[in-house]
Amino acid sequence: AQSVTQPDIHITVSEGASLELRCNYSYGATPYLFWYVQSPGQGLQLLLKYFSGDTLVQGIKGFEAEFKRSQSSFNLRKPSVHWSDAAEYFCAVGLMEYGNKLVFGAGTILRVKS
Amino acid sequence: EPEVTQTPSHQVTQMGQEVILRCVPISNHLYFYWYRQILGQKVEFLVSFYNNEISEKSEIFDDQFSVERPDGSNFTLKIRSTKLEDSAMYFCASSGDTNEQFFGPGTRLTVL
Repeated sequence: AQSVTQPDIHITVSEGASLELRCNYSYGATPYLFWYVQSPGQGLQLLLKYFSGDTLVQGIKGFEAEFKRSQSSFNLRKPSVHWSDAAEYFCAVGLMEYGNKLVFGAGTILRVKS
Repeated sequence: EPEVTQTPSHQVTQMGQEVILRCVPISNHLYFYWYRQILGQKVEFLVSFYNNEISEKSEIFDDQFSVERPDGSNFTLKIRSTKLEDSAMYFCASSGDTNEQFFGPGTRLTVL
């Protein structure tokens, strides 16, 4: 069955430090991959997506992610974290053959310390 | 910038009552979705809807749930007889032809 694993439930980084959030997926075909961010009490905002082509994708707010087919991974990175990046981050795989549904990971809560 | 809107932001109901959650998708989108997030858990897919019919539904989406697009702008989720375990945040989403799903702010449903 299709699944998404985010192995880190919580991550704490210092402001200005680099960030990498891990995501692994299980899916037989070429996936559509997404990262969403959710601030407390808010909805889900799309950070970036991968459909095909260049495996390094750029998103909003200075985030980027790299698709590695051999590792079934789609890790999210940011070179310098800002306090406003504190939120919960969700990786998701899109299943086009199943009504375009998104399967989400459990999320990683990012805390930023000053 | 166009956005998905949802009403109400918070709904409190008694167990066994019917609730209708409302969503206004982005106007030129054709694909619509409902997801839910139980407190502290992951976001779960409920249903996708296209061309006035359900295209996919999860095992959560049983006979107690229904969706409807009653007019050209609204997309609703109805729960006929709510249970305690239906308490969750419900998110509506819509997408156009790019497969990017845009999410609304959610409706927090509390079943007492």
